Amino acid sequence: DAGVIQSPRHEVTEMGQEVTLRCKPISGHNSLFWYRQTMMRGLELLIYFNNNVPIDDSGMPEDRFSAKMPNASFSTLKIQPSEPRDSAVYFCASSLAPAGRNEQFFGPGTRLTVL
Amino acid sequence: KQEVTQIPAALSVPEGENLVLNCSFTDSAIYNLQWFRQDPGKGLTSLLLIQSSQREQTSGRLNASLDKSSGRSTLYIAASQPGDSATYLCASPIKAAGNKLTFGGGTRVLVKP
Repeated sequence: DAGVIQSPRHEVTEMGQEVTLRCKPISGHNSLFWYRQTMMRGLELLIYFNNNVPIDDSGMPEDRFSAKMPNASFSTLKIQPSEPRDSAVYFCASSLAPAGRNEQFFGPGTRLTVL
Repeated sequence: KQEVTQIPAALSVPEGENLVLNCSFTDSAIYNLQWFRQDPGKGLTSLLLIQSSQREQTSGRLNASLDKSSGRSTLYIAASQPGDSATYLCASPIKAAGNKLTFGGGTRVLVKP
């Protein structure tokens, strides 16, 4: 298996622009997670899905952030409009359900820089 | 609220020495405790997952123990190698919050040749 796939690996954009991050989970995994990692705050869970349904989005910082999972093999995290404080590494992870009970496998991350 | 703490934040040892990494958690009602490794600029790699009913889990040179009553887990790495240099994170799912993983801040390890 190719593991969790994320794209792009690096994104540099200007403040106010829309940013879309993409994730393909491991085939057969039915839980998907979006995390953000910064030096100041460490690793934070933004949102997670079970069977394509958002279960907990309490970690999403603002309404500027939204996530979708239209099918079992694809998810997006969108930031609109982006701000410099959104600069971070965004990770997608997947696991078998139920969430937290099984090993999570992480993608390589997307390094986002908002100028 | 479950808090997960890792001390020290950084550790430097000579090659061949055994590594001992500590993880503390405040809520003992956990399903499991997971250890991850993160190399610079990379994602997290799952190392070991200890179920709440287990006391330890082993994989090669790695051994992780779990003591729920004291809220502690320890990751031992035997005969460290320069390739073991990385950041090690522990995480535990919060039962009361839908099993979301809460991560410690990590311990950055440097193994000197």
